[in-house]
Amino acid sequence: EPEVTQTPSHQVTQMGQEVILRCVPISNHLYFYWYRQILGQKVEFLVSFYNNEISEKSEIFDDQFSVERPDGSNFTLKIRSTKLEDSAMYFCASSDRTGVADTQYFGPGTRLTVL
Amino acid sequence: LAKTTQPISMDSYEGQEVNITCSHNNIATNDYITWYQQFPSQGPRFIIQGYKTKVTNEVASLFIPADRKSSTLSLPRVSLSDTAVYYCLVPMMNTGFQKLVFGTGTRLLVSP
Repeated sequence: EPEVTQTPSHQVTQMGQEVILRCVPISNHLYFYWYRQILGQKVEFLVSFYNNEISEKSEIFDDQFSVERPDGSNFTLKIRSTKLEDSAMYFCASSDRTGVADTQYFGPGTRLTVL
Repeated sequence: LAKTTQPISMDSYEGQEVNITCSHNNIATNDYITWYQQFPSQGPRFIIQGYKTKVTNEVASLFIPADRKSSTLSLPRVSLSDTAVYYCLVPMMNTGFQKLVFGTGTRLLVSP
């Protein structure tokens, strides 16, 4: 069964550093998403991406965040200057969005720890 | 403000039916409601999706009333391995923009 993969599984960084989280969506999917989950809290939507541009974003997704699909398989989330409060699990998801239904399949996540 | 609320936790025993409700006060009119299961340190896993009335698959049923301001996930006969956190994911209208909002999550504990 095809699945979404994410690398690395755990990233430790110093405050102020840039990090890039990588995702490989399911190959025939066209819609891509990033979510985050702070420890013990619910999953929060960050951004959705379609046709090489952002289609929706939340208020969390401010100027320090950016997303990119640099090639035909990868989908990345960049955090420009990390803050302590960026420590969380970051999940990538993808969907093929047949009709109106949007069944998203999630990756295993990247745990980001900012020191 | 777009909000989705769920009970924080539920307890059940093996073999029982469990119903978890999600309330969504400002749902977008033309998109589906989806439920996910999440185990510790894993990504959410798709369970079921629906737009209106009732949907059933091999693992669950989903009930959505006509006003779509709530949805109820029904797990027919839970087992110990169903112990997890369950989230609804709902498209919400907020200040003119549609965004995806996860519910607050319900921690289900199934005991023998």
